[in-house]
Amino acid sequence: DAGITQSPRHKVTETGTPVTLRCHQTENHRYMYWYRQDPGHGLRLIHYSYGVKDTDKGEVSDGYSVSRSKTEDFLLTLESATSSQTSVYFCAISRGSGANVLTFGAGSRLTVL
Amino acid sequence: AQSVTQLGSHVSVSEGALVLLRCNYSSSVPPYLFWYVQYPNQGLQLLLKYTSAATLVKGINGFEAEFKKSETSFHLTKPSAHMSDAAEYFCAVSDIGGNTPLVFGKGTRLSVIA
Repeated sequence: DAGITQSPRHKVTETGTPVTLRCHQTENHRYMYWYRQDPGHGLRLIHYSYGVKDTDKGEVSDGYSVSRSKTEDFLLTLESATSSQTSVYFCAISRGSGANVLTFGAGSRLTVL
Repeated sequence: AQSVTQLGSHVSVSEGALVLLRCNYSSSVPPYLFWYVQYPNQGLQLLLKYTSAATLVKGINGFEAEFKKSETSFHLTKPSAHMSDAAEYFCAVSDIGGNTPLVFGKGTRLSVIA
């Protein structure tokens, strides 16, 4: 979506390998989020960031870590990928003040064999 | 913790018929509420949001939703379905104030039959 780029868009990897997904924004927003989408579960929050080096855990953070060393990039790392982490991962930024209106990236589809 | 329940994982309507997608929230304090739409192989787009102003909220593409505190509901409606409305719809909730992360429902897939 406008202002948000996720990479890679598709990735196939093997169990036990590390994986890093990148979210890049061009609009200097403070808040960034990582969600995963799975059939029957909707979207679930993994981690979010409220500033450079400021992050917090979400509902399904086990097995994931994040880093934000600069405003525009928010990285999601799977230290040792498992098949249960096969999913579509969405990055989002918060654009509005007051109500937390999210704008989503196009998603990264990860398959762990 | 905030949560939303979407009734019906799949709804099917005929073209031109009323669309009604149900969402109920759980909160002791009226929260902010949102409806997002996801077309195949795309990210989510905001349809509309309720932020404690008017209880009837109008969104894009002819959709609207009504906040009913007594029923803890925020159902999404459209008077006449179009084929292009076929998508997955998500209700979401957040606390009032600040950039509290959104909590999403499990989604409802809308099919429109010609």
